Amino acid sequence: EPEVTQTPSHQVTQMGQEVILRCVPISNHLYFYWYRQILGQKVEFLVSFYNNEISEKSEIFDDQFSVERPDGSNFTLKIRSTKLEDSAMYFCASSRQRSTDTQYFGPGTRLTVL
Amino acid sequence: GENVEQHPSTLSVQEGDSAVIKCTYSDSASNYFPWYKQELGKRPQLIIDIRSNVGEKKDQRIAVTLNKTAKHFSLHITETQPEDSAVYFCAASIRNNNNDMRFGAGTRLTVKP
Repeated sequence: EPEVTQTPSHQVTQMGQEVILRCVPISNHLYFYWYRQILGQKVEFLVSFYNNEISEKSEIFDDQFSVERPDGSNFTLKIRSTKLEDSAMYFCASSRQRSTDTQYFGPGTRLTVL
Repeated sequence: GENVEQHPSTLSVQEGDSAVIKCTYSDSASNYFPWYKQELGKRPQLIIDIRSNVGEKKDQRIAVTLNKTAKHFSLHITETQPEDSAVYFCAASIRNNNNDMRFGAGTRLTVKP
């Protein structure tokens, strides 16, 4: 069964550095998402992406964040200047269709900002 | 925007007993309600979902009910087993909003053998 994959599994960075988290959504899916989960807390929506543009973004997704689909398979989340509070697990997800379709989550990238 | 409340935050049951987790949502336009199970250090995995045109859905030991009028939905697990121990998240998806999905705070279920 196809799965969403993410790399790296764990990223450690210094405060102020830029990080890029990578995701490969399921191949026939058209909608892509990023979520964040701070340790021990709930999953929080960051952004959704369709047709090479952002469809929706939450209040968390400020100017420090950007997303891109640089080629036909990868979907990336960039954090320009990391802060301590960006430390969290970042999950990528994808869904096949637009409306109320099941989202499948990747294994996550644990980001640690020192 | 949508606000999803989930209760209880922790739930402990004996093996074989039933477990019920409840969620409420605020936006009457929401029409998709998935439940995810997250084991420690792993990704959320969809276990069951329900759409607003359905009142109840069952899959073996798991069932979900939806009350649109009251804007609440519940997860029911019967004959619980130790491997059901995990954190369970409910979520609600806002119609016509590109699947912006909001999660509840999670319920840590512990099934004691």
